Amino acid sequence: GQQLNQSPQSMFIQEGEDVSMNCTSSSIFNTWLWYKQDPGEGPVLLIALYKAGELTSNGRLTAQFGITRKDSFLNISASIPSDVGIYFCAGRANTGTASKLTFGTGTRLQVTL
Amino acid sequence: DGGITQSPKYLFRKEGQNVTLSCEQNLNHDAMYWYRQDPGQGLRLIYYSQIVNDFQKGDIAEGYSVSREKKESFPLTVTSAQKNPTAFYLCASRRDRDSPLHFGNGTRLTVT
Repeated sequence: GQQLNQSPQSMFIQEGEDVSMNCTSSSIFNTWLWYKQDPGEGPVLLIALYKAGELTSNGRLTAQFGITRKDSFLNISASIPSDVGIYFCAGRANTGTASKLTFGTGTRLQVTL
Repeated sequence: DGGITQSPKYLFRKEGQNVTLSCEQNLNHDAMYWYRQDPGQGLRLIYYSQIVNDFQKGDIAEGYSVSREKKESFPLTVTSAQKNPTAFYLCASRRDRDSPLHFGNGTRLTVT
Protein backbone atom coordinates (compact mmCIF):
# COMPACT_ATOMS: atom_id res chain seq x y z
CA GLY A 1 0.00 0.00 0.00
CA GLN A 2 0.87 3.64 -0.12
CA GLN A 3 3.26 4.94 2.50
CA LEU A 4 3.81 8.44 3.76
CA ASN A 5 7.00 9.41 5.56
CA GLN A 6 6.62 12.57 7.64
CA SER A 7 9.57 14.33 9.21
CA PRO A 8 10.68 15.36 11.65
CA GLN A 9 8.79 13.27 14.21
CA SER A 10 9.05 16.04 16.78
CA MET A 11 10.46 19.53 17.11
CA PHE A 12 11.30 21.81 20.00
CA ILE A 13 11.61 25.41 18.91
CA GLN A 14 11.66 28.83 20.49
CA GLU A 15 8.87 31.32 20.05
CA GLY A 16 9.48 33.46 17.00
CA GLU A 17 11.39 30.83 15.07
CA ASP A 18 10.32 29.50 11.69
CA VAL A 19 9.37 25.83 11.34
CA SER A 20 9.55 23.44 8.39
CA MET A 21 8.21 19.93 8.06
CA ASN A 22 7.67 17.65 5.10
CA CYS A 23 6.03 14.50 3.80
CA THR A 24 7.22 12.16 1.09
CA SER A 25 5.24 9.43 -0.59
CA SER A 26 6.18 6.20 -2.31
CA SER A 27 3.64 6.99 -5.03
CA ILE A 28 2.06 9.97 -6.77
CA PHE A 29 -0.72 11.91 -5.08
CA ASN A 30 -3.23 14.28 -6.67
CA THR A 31 -4.16 16.03 -3.44
CA TRP A 32 -2.16 16.99 -0.36
CA LEU A 33 -3.77 18.13 2.87
CA TRP A 34 -2.25 19.47 6.06
CA TYR A 35 -4.05 19.13 9.41
CA LYS A 36 -3.29 20.26 12.97
CA GLN A 37 -4.45 18.31 16.00
CA ASP A 38 -4.60 19.70 19.53
CA PRO A 39 -4.46 17.23 22.46
CA GLY A 40 -7.73 15.32 22.85
CA GLU A 41 -9.32 16.96 19.80
CA GLY A 42 -9.93 16.02 16.20
CA PRO A 43 -7.61 17.22 13.41
CA VAL A 44 -8.46 20.58 11.85
CA LEU A 45 -7.73 21.31 8.21
CA LEU A 46 -5.04 23.95 7.68
CA ILE A 47 -4.29 23.93 3.97
CA ALA A 48 -5.45 21.91 0.94
CA LEU A 49 -3.31 21.57 -2.21
CA TYR A 50 -4.68 20.28 -5.51
CA LYS A 51 -2.05 21.01 -8.15
CA ALA A 52 1.61 20.09 -8.55
CA GLY A 53 3.82 23.08 -7.81
CA GLU A 54 1.02 24.91 -5.97
CA LEU A 55 2.10 27.18 -3.13
CA THR A 56 -0.68 28.20 -0.73
CA SER A 57 -0.66 30.36 2.39
CA ASN A 58 -2.99 30.58 5.36
CA GLY A 59 -1.78 33.34 7.66
CA ARG A 60 1.65 32.36 8.96
CA LEU A 61 1.39 28.93 7.34
CA THR A 62 2.62 28.14 3.84
CA ALA A 63 2.40 24.76 2.14
CA GLN A 64 3.65 23.53 -1.19
CA PHE A 65 2.64 20.64 -3.44
CA GLY A 66 5.91 19.15 -4.69
CA ILE A 67 6.53 19.22 -8.42
CA THR A 68 7.12 15.45 -8.48
CA ARG A 69 3.69 14.99 -6.80
CA LYS A 70 5.39 12.72 -4.26
CA ASP A 71 6.06 15.30 -1.57
CA SER A 72 4.70 18.31 0.26
CA PHE A 73 6.09 20.88 2.67
CA LEU A 74 4.57 22.96 5.46
CA ASN A 75 6.27 26.05 6.83
CA ILE A 76 5.20 28.05 9.87
CA SER A 77 6.72 31.49 10.24
CA ALA A 78 7.31 33.32 13.53
CA SER A 79 5.94 30.53 15.72
CA ILE A 80 3.81 31.32 18.77
CA PRO A 81 2.85 29.15 21.76
CA SER A 82 -0.55 28.23 20.30
CA ASP A 83 1.20 26.54 17.37
CA VAL A 84 1.86 23.62 19.73
CA GLY A 85 0.24 20.41 18.53
CA ILE A 86 0.62 17.57 16.09
CA TYR A 87 0.71 18.34 12.39
CA PHE A 88 -0.39 15.66 9.95
CA CYS A 89 0.00 15.49 6.23
CA ALA A 90 -2.45 13.44 4.17
CA GLY A 91 -2.43 12.51 0.51
CA ARG A 92 -4.98 11.20 -1.91
CA ALA A 93 -4.27 9.37 -5.15
CA ASN A 94 -7.83 9.47 -6.50
CA THR A 95 -7.70 5.83 -7.49
CA GLY A 96 -11.03 4.09 -7.83
CA THR A 97 -14.25 5.38 -6.37
CA ALA A 98 -13.12 5.32 -2.75
CA SER A 99 -10.47 8.02 -3.09
CA LYS A 100 -9.05 7.24 0.33
CA LEU A 101 -6.65 9.44 2.24
CA THR A 102 -3.29 8.18 3.48
CA PHE A 103 -2.02 9.94 6.61
CA GLY A 104 1.52 10.61 7.75
CA THR A 105 2.57 9.72 11.29
CA GLY A 106 2.60 13.34 12.41
CA THR A 107 5.10 15.98 13.54
CA ARG A 108 4.79 16.98 17.18
CA LEU A 109 5.64 20.65 17.62
CA GLN A 110 6.51 22.19 20.96
CA VAL A 111 7.21 25.88 21.32
CA THR A 112 9.18 27.30 24.23
CA LEU A 113 9.03 30.90 25.33
CA ASP B 1 -23.33 25.76 13.49
CA GLY B 2 -22.72 22.78 11.27
CA GLY B 3 -20.34 20.11 12.41
CA ILE B 4 -19.61 16.57 13.43
CA THR B 5 -20.53 15.42 16.94
CA GLN B 6 -18.98 12.38 18.52
CA SER B 7 -20.19 11.04 21.82
CA PRO B 8 -19.24 10.25 24.45
CA LYS B 9 -15.86 11.97 24.78
CA TYR B 10 -14.55 9.22 27.07
CA LEU B 11 -15.76 5.63 27.25
CA PHE B 12 -14.70 2.83 29.57
CA ARG B 13 -15.60 -0.82 29.05
CA LYS B 14 -14.69 -4.22 30.38
CA GLU B 15 -13.01 -6.68 28.08
CA GLY B 16 -15.49 -8.91 26.27
CA GLN B 17 -18.21 -6.26 25.99
CA ASN B 18 -19.34 -4.69 22.75
CA VAL B 19 -19.49 -0.90 22.72
CA THR B 20 -21.01 1.56 20.22
CA LEU B 21 -19.53 4.97 19.45
CA SER B 22 -21.84 7.66 18.11
CA CYS B 23 -21.15 10.00 15.20
CA GLU B 24 -23.67 12.56 13.95
CA GLN B 25 -23.16 15.25 11.31
CA ASN B 26 -25.41 18.12 10.19
CA LEU B 27 -23.24 19.14 7.25
CA ASN B 28 -25.37 17.23 4.74
CA HIS B 29 -22.27 15.29 3.68
CA ASP B 30 -22.77 12.03 1.82
CA ALA B 31 -19.53 10.31 2.85
CA MET B 32 -18.58 9.42 6.42
CA TYR B 33 -15.50 7.70 7.84
CA TRP B 34 -14.16 6.11 11.00
CA TYR B 35 -10.46 6.28 11.87
CA ARG B 36 -8.45 4.87 14.71
CA GLN B 37 -5.50 6.78 16.18
CA ASP B 38 -2.78 5.22 18.31
CA PRO B 39 0.19 7.09 19.82
CA GLY B 40 2.96 7.71 17.30
CA GLN B 41 0.93 6.43 14.36
CA GLY B 42 -1.00 8.05 11.59
CA LEU B 43 -4.76 7.72 11.34
CA ARG B 44 -5.89 4.31 10.13
CA LEU B 45 -9.16 3.81 8.30
CA ILE B 46 -11.63 1.37 9.86
CA TYR B 47 -14.81 1.73 7.76
CA TYR B 48 -16.31 4.27 5.40
CA SER B 49 -19.67 4.95 3.83
CA GLN B 50 -20.22 6.94 0.67
CA ILE B 51 -24.00 6.82 0.78
CA VAL B 52 -26.87 5.74 3.00
CA ASN B 53 -27.27 1.96 3.41
CA ASP B 54 -23.82 1.30 1.96
CA PHE B 55 -20.42 0.96 3.62
CA GLN B 56 -17.02 -0.59 2.91
CA LYS B 57 -14.20 -1.97 5.01
CA GLY B 58 -11.12 0.13 5.45
CA ASP B 59 -7.61 -1.05 6.26
CA ILE B 60 -8.30 -2.34 9.80
CA ALA B 61 -11.97 -3.42 9.83
CA GLU B 62 -11.55 -6.67 11.77
CA GLY B 63 -13.39 -6.56 15.08
CA TYR B 64 -15.51 -3.55 14.12
CA SER B 65 -18.96 -3.09 12.58
CA VAL B 66 -20.92 -0.09 11.31
CA SER B 67 -24.33 0.87 9.99
CA ARG B 68 -25.54 3.78 7.87
CA GLU B 69 -29.33 3.91 8.13
CA LYS B 70 -29.48 7.71 8.01
CA LYS B 71 -27.35 10.25 6.18
CA GLU B 72 -26.56 12.08 9.41
CA SER B 73 -25.46 9.09 11.47
CA PHE B 74 -22.64 6.55 11.22
CA PRO B 75 -22.25 4.59 14.49
CA LEU B 76 -19.25 2.34 15.06
CA THR B 77 -19.46 -0.82 17.18
CA VAL B 78 -16.27 -2.14 18.69
CA THR B 79 -16.87 -5.83 19.23
CA SER B 80 -15.24 -8.24 21.65
CA ALA B 81 -13.36 -9.68 18.66
CA GLN B 82 -11.19 -6.56 18.42
CA LYS B 83 -7.88 -7.58 20.02
CA ASN B 84 -6.64 -4.11 21.05
CA PRO B 85 -9.67 -1.81 21.27
CA THR B 86 -8.16 0.87 23.51
CA ALA B 87 -7.55 3.87 21.23
CA PHE B 88 -8.73 7.31 20.16
CA TYR B 89 -11.51 7.02 17.56
CA LEU B 90 -12.20 9.78 15.06
CA CYS B 91 -15.24 10.19 12.84
CA ALA B 92 -15.05 12.31 9.70
CA SER B 93 -17.17 13.35 6.76
CA ARG B 94 -16.75 15.09 3.45
CA ARG B 95 -19.05 16.71 0.93
CA ASP B 96 -17.79 14.95 -2.18
CA ARG B 97 -14.92 12.92 -3.52
CA ASP B 98 -12.54 15.87 -4.00
CA SER B 99 -13.33 17.69 -0.75
CA PRO B 100 -11.14 17.51 2.36
CA LEU B 101 -12.20 15.51 5.40
CA HIS B 102 -13.78 17.29 8.37
CA PHE B 103 -13.29 15.58 11.72
CA GLY B 104 -15.24 15.29 14.94
CA ASN B 105 -13.50 15.74 18.29
CA GLY B 106 -13.04 12.05 18.90
CA THR B 107 -13.94 9.42 21.48
CA ARG B 108 -11.27 7.94 23.71
CA LEU B 109 -12.12 4.31 24.42
CA THR B 110 -10.42 2.45 27.24
CA VAL B 111 -11.01 -1.28 27.63
CA THR B 112 -9.73 -3.04 30.74
